[in-house]
Amino acid sequence: AQTVTQSQPEMSVQEAETVTLSCTYDTSENNYYLFWYKQPPSRQMILVIRQEAYKQQNATENRFSVNFQKAAKSFSLKISDSQLGDTAMYFCAFMRQNTGNQFYFGTGTSLTVIP
Amino acid sequence: DADVTQTPRNRITKTGKRIMLECSQTKGHDRMYWYRQDPGLGLRLIYYSFDVKDINKGEISDGYSVSRQAQAKFSLSLESAIPNQTALYFCATSDSPFAGPSGYTFGSGTRLTVV
Repeated sequence: AQTVTQSQPEMSVQEAETVTLSCTYDTSENNYYLFWYKQPPSRQMILVIRQEAYKQQNATENRFSVNFQKAAKSFSLKISDSQLGDTAMYFCAFMRQNTGNQFYFGTGTSLTVIP
Repeated sequence: DADVTQTPRNRITKTGKRIMLECSQTKGHDRMYWYRQDPGLGLRLIYYSFDVKDINKGEISDGYSVSRQAQAKFSLSLESAIPNQTALYFCATSDSPFAGPSGYTFGSGTRLTVV
């Protein structure tokens, strides 16, 4: 079975600063996908960024980037120039390739951006 | 209109009552899912469906049932609600996995309280 661990239940960051959210996972699969989802107080689940395991290059989306370490099974999210609108719960998720039948979610990290 | 619509948005019900949560989508996706979110536990899969005739149990299906009325509609029922089913429920859809790792499209969630 796959497990996803987010070891930081809560984090805070000053506005305009950089913060890194940690995620580790456990799998015997070689091909898979990793995702970060954001859940603001509106509770909508919003895809932030995704990474294919076969790609060595780390994914980036504007102020969001990941540090994907396949051997270490680590997938951290870096938010640069933090904004008040980044305040949300962040979930790391894992999906095996060519199944699509289930995401495995971490327990989430609650991020607060302080003005 | 939202791509994935969940109704109701919030619901309070009494122990022992039957309740149905509804989900409809305009994405044209074949795959639909029901998850529940609990604080500190992340999102856990209840049921998923790959098409109208294909229904599968997830990791926490006890006490729940589902109906896939059409490609676009997937309902979750609690036959006899109990207080520990109080949670935030999400419906999600996805493409065929062979189309690429597009991730899920989530509804806006139904907050269910069982008293």
